[in-house]
Amino acid sequence: SAVISQKPSRDICQRGTSLTIQCQVDSQVTMMFWYRQQPGQSLTLIATANQGSEATYESGFVIDKFPISRPNLTFSTLTVSNMSPEDSSIYLCSVVRPPGDTEAFFGQGTRLTVV
Amino acid sequence: GENVEQHPSTLSVQEGDSAVIKCTYSDSASNYFPWYKQELGKRPQLIIDIRSNVGEKKDQRIAVTLNKTAKHFSLHITETQPEDSAVYFCAASIGGTSYGKLTFGQGTILTVHP
Repeated sequence: SAVISQKPSRDICQRGTSLTIQCQVDSQVTMMFWYRQQPGQSLTLIATANQGSEATYESGFVIDKFPISRPNLTFSTLTVSNMSPEDSSIYLCSVVRPPGDTEAFFGQGTRLTVV
Repeated sequence: GENVEQHPSTLSVQEGDSAVIKCTYSDSASNYFPWYKQELGKRPQLIIDIRSNVGEKKDQRIAVTLNKTAKHFSLHITETQPEDSAVYFCAASIGGTSYGKLTFGQGTILTVHP
């Protein structure tokens, strides 16, 4: 199984501010995925982060609101910008281990509350 | 894009009974269908998965069936135990380099009463 470390595990932020979430994986992976889980809801893919190229965003998510960095093959950050209470969610990063594997592993998540 | 519908949203059973959760998907290109279990406050964890070239897969008390023609797949849990209580999510992916790009169903809250 993959070891994925996410920081912070939780935070309470003021509206209008930004929060950067870090995701560290214990081995090199080609793609890292960022999901959002709104309270009591399912998981929705925000974007796919590739090393050396721009992240690919899903419908309804834009780079200005959720900028992503992917400086190397084991690390990625997701920033939630200009936050509003509607951004209160759990944000999870996910990876699939090296070629041939299919299982997506998730980080423990970052529980964000915007007040 | 893909759309995954999951039913029921809540399911309550007695310990020892069976539980069945059903999902349908819309994109015929999807060929990988995992099921995740998420306990309260924890990360989702894979419990079983199936690829489109397989009709059924079992792992002890858990089984998944896939009807590719009808575009639906189901999770079956037999001899349920209180520790099976959790939220279960089905998901779909087109696989290939995109196994991690999952479209999830809405989730089913399973409660197993002792």
